[in-house]
Amino acid sequence: AQKVTQTQTSISVVEKTTVTMDCVYETRDSSYFLFWYKQTASGEIVFLIRQDSYKKENATVGHYSLNFQKPKSSIGLIITATQIEDSAVYFCAMRERSNNRIFFGDGTQLVVKP
Amino acid sequence: ETAVFQTPNYHVTQVGNEVSFNCKQTLGHDTMYWYKQDSKKLLKIMFSYNNKQLIVNETVPRRFSPQSSDKAHLNLRIKSVEPEDSAVYLCASSTPEGANTEVFFGKGTRLTVV
Repeated sequence: AQKVTQTQTSISVVEKTTVTMDCVYETRDSSYFLFWYKQTASGEIVFLIRQDSYKKENATVGHYSLNFQKPKSSIGLIITATQIEDSAVYFCAMRERSNNRIFFGDGTQLVVKP
Repeated sequence: ETAVFQTPNYHVTQVGNEVSFNCKQTLGHDTMYWYKQDSKKLLKIMFSYNNKQLIVNETVPRRFSPQSSDKAHLNLRIKSVEPEDSAVYLCASSTPEGANTEVFFGKGTRLTVV
């Protein structure tokens, strides 16, 4: 069963606008960690931002922020003032506290156009 | 700054050959992983390993096996490659279970089976 689901396969936006990428997850653990990663055209996967399940405040790092809706098991990534170089594939991931496994969604391709 | 090192970057081989990919991490992490990324960019976990436990994804064919000499190294061996093994193989590491830290990825090894 898919534990992390990203329903948006591809999104296209105009630069300097705001984009939201959706992610829902499934877990029975009471404590877990949620992550977003970016894979650039070179193939490199880099960590962007994290949300701990026990924290109510949405995480923010630079122009990335999260919309954490625990009752809906949802962790959306918001990118404000998008730039051309934000074009990449974005992966949502979840790590359950009880084990070493990290589950990834299928990714969302973001294209930022001038 | 890269802290998970993979070699080689690329490898082309014929069906039935044996291949081995190397991975080393300099982060002092206890857990390492191998992921397979197919042409659709889907990330599938193959193995997670620490000094206590090897967890194998049940969908991984038996011709794949991880090999570890110490906690900083986790190599991947494919005994007799098949065409469907063509993919990018990503090595990653993280701190032990229960931790909220992210996974750090290497730059990947692209395997082409002809």
